[in-house]
Amino acid sequence: TAGITQAPTSQILAAGRSMTLRCTQDMRHNAMYWYRQDLGLGLRLIHYSNTAGTTGKGEVPDGYSVSRANTDDFPLTLASAVPSQTSVYFCASSREISYEQYFGPGTRLTVT
Amino acid sequence: DAKTTQPNSMESNEEEPVHLPCNHSTISGTDYIHWYRQLPSQGPEYVIHGLTSNVNNRMASLAIAEDRKSSTLILHRATLRDAAVYYCILLRGSTLGRLYFGRGTQLTVWP
Repeated sequence: TAGITQAPTSQILAAGRSMTLRCTQDMRHNAMYWYRQDLGLGLRLIHYSNTAGTTGKGEVPDGYSVSRANTDDFPLTLASAVPSQTSVYFCASSREISYEQYFGPGTRLTVT
Repeated sequence: DAKTTQPNSMESNEEEPVHLPCNHSTISGTDYIHWYRQLPSQGPEYVIHGLTSNVNNRMASLAIAEDRKSSTLILHRATLRDAAVYYCILLRGSTLGRLYFGRGTQLTVWP
């Protein structure tokens, strides 16, 4: 199985533009997460979803939005990108909240 | 969220055991101890987790102190592929499943 896929692999985005990072899992996991990783800061949780139809805010939600229309997909949208959103973004999923998480390969985003 | 303290870096020789320590003095009764690792240019990878008892799986062993204020991840025979950043994380079973990633321990394995 593919596990978790993310697209695109990398992207250069002009400041002020919008973009959606895609995340799809084929494990029928209920919970999904978005993290960003910046040098020296480790991974920080942006948004999460306990189950399809519900979402919640993590540590650093400002400037990002998510939706969870179905079990498999959990897109992350930047409505108006800023340079501080330059980062590597990881999507993850777990069978339920509090179970071990499985991570995707990441999307490297550069906002210029 | 309860925090963890890990050494910034550790080194080992190939084929030797590695003991990666983690302190979590403010751990609560419902906190699970999770370990993840991140290889260069990859997403984090689940390693092992436990609550009170020591745990073993194909990747590693987790030794948890009796008072649960510290734990140790044990790699029985380090290989070059084990070179990674190892994160010790407390996950509260009663809350939202948020993983708080600190800076972790950078493990270097020498041939």
